[in-house]
Amino acid sequence: SQTIHQWPATLVQPVGSPLSLECTVEGTSNPNLYWYRQAAGRGLQLLFYSVGIGQISSEVPQNLSASRPQDRQFILSSKKLLLSDSGFYLCAWSRGSFTYEQYFGPGTRLTVT
Amino acid sequence: GIQVEQSPPDLILQEGANSTLRCNFSDSVNNLQWFHQNPWGQLINLFYIPSGTKQNGRLSATTVATERYSLLYISSSQTTDSGVYFCAALKAAGNKLTFGGGTRVLVKP
Repeated sequence: SQTIHQWPATLVQPVGSPLSLECTVEGTSNPNLYWYRQAAGRGLQLLFYSVGIGQISSEVPQNLSASRPQDRQFILSSKKLLLSDSGFYLCAWSRGSFTYEQYFGPGTRLTVT
Repeated sequence: GIQVEQSPPDLILQEGANSTLRCNFSDSVNNLQWFHQNPWGQLINLFYIPSGTKQNGRLSATTVATERYSLLYISSSQTTDSGVYFCAALKAAGNKLTFGGGTRVLVKP
């Protein structure tokens, strides 16, 4: 069976510091990978998606970037965090088509102070 | 892009009651999913249902694609059903799963 991991689970970072969130998927190959952000009490917003190693598409211009150095690894980064980057970040995967069901990781709760 | 609207935004139920959550979407879809977000934030997959009807225990869902809506039924609700229910839709030939605003459900004992 497939599993998806995210770490860290929670993170408190000062404004202007760098960020690196990691997501890995087990039990499948060549998945589509996604990063979402959820502001408090609201729905999810797609930030980035990737259909293969080194292939990243951005949905929302922002202070964040994503990379996919390995088939089942997806990383969300920032060089300098803003207060507005606070939120709940979720990674998801699906089989190699957008029409397939998406499955979500446990998420990382980021607070920028 | 596709618009996804959920109703009601909030729902308070007495344990044992039945309820219906609605999701309207503005375009043809290739993917329609229902999720339950628990108090720890985990998104749990309930149904993948771009069309038709499915049942899983006390939960069932129906999507009428031609009329652009989906319904989630909760029967004999339990306190563990509390949380936020999200509907998400993928426009046909699209690449972005768009989430509705969610329905916050509180089941009281």
